[in-house]
Amino acid sequence: DVKVTQSSRYLVKRTGEKVFLECVQDMDHENMFWYRQDPGLGLRLIYFSYDVKMKEKGDIPEGYSVSREKKERFSLILESASTNQTSMYLCASRIRASPSYEQYFGPGTRLTVT
Amino acid sequence: GQQVMQIPQYQHVQEGEDFTTYCNSSTTLSNIQWYKQRPGGHPVFLIQLVKSGEVKKQKRLTFQFGEAKKNSSLHITATQTTDVGTYFCGGGGATNKLIFGTGTLLAVQP
Repeated sequence: DVKVTQSSRYLVKRTGEKVFLECVQDMDHENMFWYRQDPGLGLRLIYFSYDVKMKEKGDIPEGYSVSREKKERFSLILESASTNQTSMYLCASRIRASPSYEQYFGPGTRLTVT
Repeated sequence: GQQVMQIPQYQHVQEGEDFTTYCNSSTTLSNIQWYKQRPGGHPVFLIQLVKSGEVKKQKRLTFQFGEAKKNSSLHITATQTTDVGTYFCGGGGATNKLIFGTGTLLAVQP
């Protein structure tokens, strides 16, 4: 079974803090994704990575950066957290770069920025 | 850019009633995937459709891909309380990304 894990289920941070969200997958998948999920807006892609050290902006990259130094780990960084970044963050992985492969999601991190 | 709209946003049914959610894309899709997210859970892959006019069934769930490959539907026959959750479609297009719809939250009253 593919397993995608995220470092925290719940996180509370203050405005202006630097926030790291970690995601690890154990199935040697090439692609990894970060989404945020907000009521009424569905799943919006923040960043994705085709492979180690490769990254590409998604639909809403502003205020975020990512790091992929190892194949199994994809980190999302909020350089200076703001209240409008309060959301559910979902990581996903996929075996390789084609939309015809299914995505495996982690359990999510609910981030609150106060 | 490519957009995928999903309706309705929310549906409340009595147990035993049928349910349908629809996805419409602004562009032709290469494929469409459907995911289910249980309350408090994460999206889980249900199925993929690739061919024009394709219809697939999983027990009480019927998935269709339109002839023009721009729309899709998920129909649940005789809903059960275990069907509650949010159903997302994700459309593949010219890029390697899936564009997800906004999701339909299904509530089933016993």
